[in-house]
Amino acid sequence: DAKTTQPTSMDCAEGRAANLPCNHSTISGNEYVYWYRQIHSQGPQYIIHGLKNNETNEMASLIITEDRKSSTLILPHATLRDTAVYYCIVRAYTGNQFYFGTGTSLTVIP
Amino acid sequence: DTEVTQTPKHLVMGMTNKKSLKCEQHMGHRAMYWYKQKAKKPPELMFVYSYEKLSINESVPSRFSPECPNSSLLNLHLHALQPEDSALYLCASSQGSGTSRSTDTQYFGPGTRLTVL
Repeated sequence: DAKTTQPTSMDCAEGRAANLPCNHSTISGNEYVYWYRQIHSQGPQYIIHGLKNNETNEMASLIITEDRKSSTLILPHATLRDTAVYYCIVRAYTGNQFYFGTGTSLTVIP
Repeated sequence: DTEVTQTPKHLVMGMTNKKSLKCEQHMGHRAMYWYKQKAKKPPELMFVYSYEKLSINESVPSRFSPECPNSSLLNLHLHALQPEDSALYLCASSQGSGTSRSTDTQYFGPGTRLTVL
């Protein structure tokens, strides 16, 4: 069962910040939130992950609400190459499995 | 190096054929995965190997047979497939912490595009 819900699609102007929301209201205390993206017909690419605190790396920032029921992935300066499907994933508490949600198709517009 | 390689890139097979998909990683990862992805759908987990042992089978039909010959290699043997099995097959690997509650980022290969005629 998908544990995340995301908007089906979003547009973002090139050079602007892209904010991609994700709801994970049934997340358990020790379950991590992961974000991946998939550019057409390629393998999913790891972006970032977090547990409770906000995280930032060279690709993006991850903001997790205090109650952990939702998160937002932020691409600070979107480029055309960021056009992709973005998946928010809650990693199972035990075991190694990822269950992908339906994802958000982000289109960056020139 | 976070590379997972998959061969072949494309495969066309008939319903009576036997073929194999191969996946390889040299990151020292101990967990490896097979996913199936239909067009415009998210990847669906099929199998998980942890320390070369099958740990998860998501009720996959027996015409798909995984094999993990060693910690770097993962195969998916295909036999008597149906046209509806046509999809992108993705392999991934992770450090494989077993029962650890730590993070376990998965790294994906580019996939094999399978067409069953």
